[in-house]
Amino acid sequence: EVQLVESGGGLVQPGGSLRLSCAASGFTFSSYWMHWVRQAPGKGLVWVSRINSDGRTTTYADSVKGRFTISRDNAKNTLYLQLNSLSADDTAVYYCARDGCTNGVCYTSWGQGTLVTVSS
Amino acid sequence: DIQMTQSPSSLSASVGDRVTITCRASQGISDYLNWYQQKPGKAPKLLIYAASSLQSGVPSRFSGSGSGTDFTLTISSLQPEDFATYFCQQSYSTPLTFGQGTKVEIK
Repeated sequence: EVQLVESGGGLVQPGGSLRLSCAASGFTFSSYWMHWVRQAPGKGLVWVSRINSDGRTTTYADSVKGRFTISRDNAKNTLYLQLNSLSADDTAVYYCARDGCTNGVCYTSWGQGTLVTVSS
Repeated sequence: DIQMTQSPSSLSASVGDRVTITCRASQGISDYLNWYQQKPGKAPKLLIYAASSLQSGVPSRFSGSGSGTDFTLTISSLQPEDFATYFCQQSYSTPLTFGQGTKVEIK
């Protein structure tokens, strides 16, 4: 069974940093592109970032570019998202998702999400 | 960026009703369009990918159609477990973008 389990969320002050993790199991992690998607409370889904299977190619939404860094450790089957210079606008549930499509992108598996709250 | 616009934003329907949700892209995206269902407090679930392909395990009452800029998600006979929020997503180009969501409520 495919499982994605996020951790690392919590309360952080504006300007602070946090590192999110997503532990993967039940599939060959190193074969898949992985993404982060976030959802502010009561709002819609927003794509944040993606990373290719070997970790060499990354893409970011403009709203997080230069502040967030996506990475992965295929030996540990873990995806990461480093969040720096956080502001209240970054408050959201952060989901990791596996891209399971071969043509285009589609999220066939999601984690349960981890809540990041940015507040003083 | 490609803007995705869903309509309606919400709807009320009864069990057994046929429900149609529309998603319009601000530019042509071929068939790079997915549909997700999300229930409160839960992660989204993939229903339809590539505009019309049913994800494994998803009931056949769900169907998708469209190409280019206009897409439709149809639930042929609404079931109690279908009351949820539905999102479309384009994967034609980054940034990948979602529609604002359509909340399907009980009438």
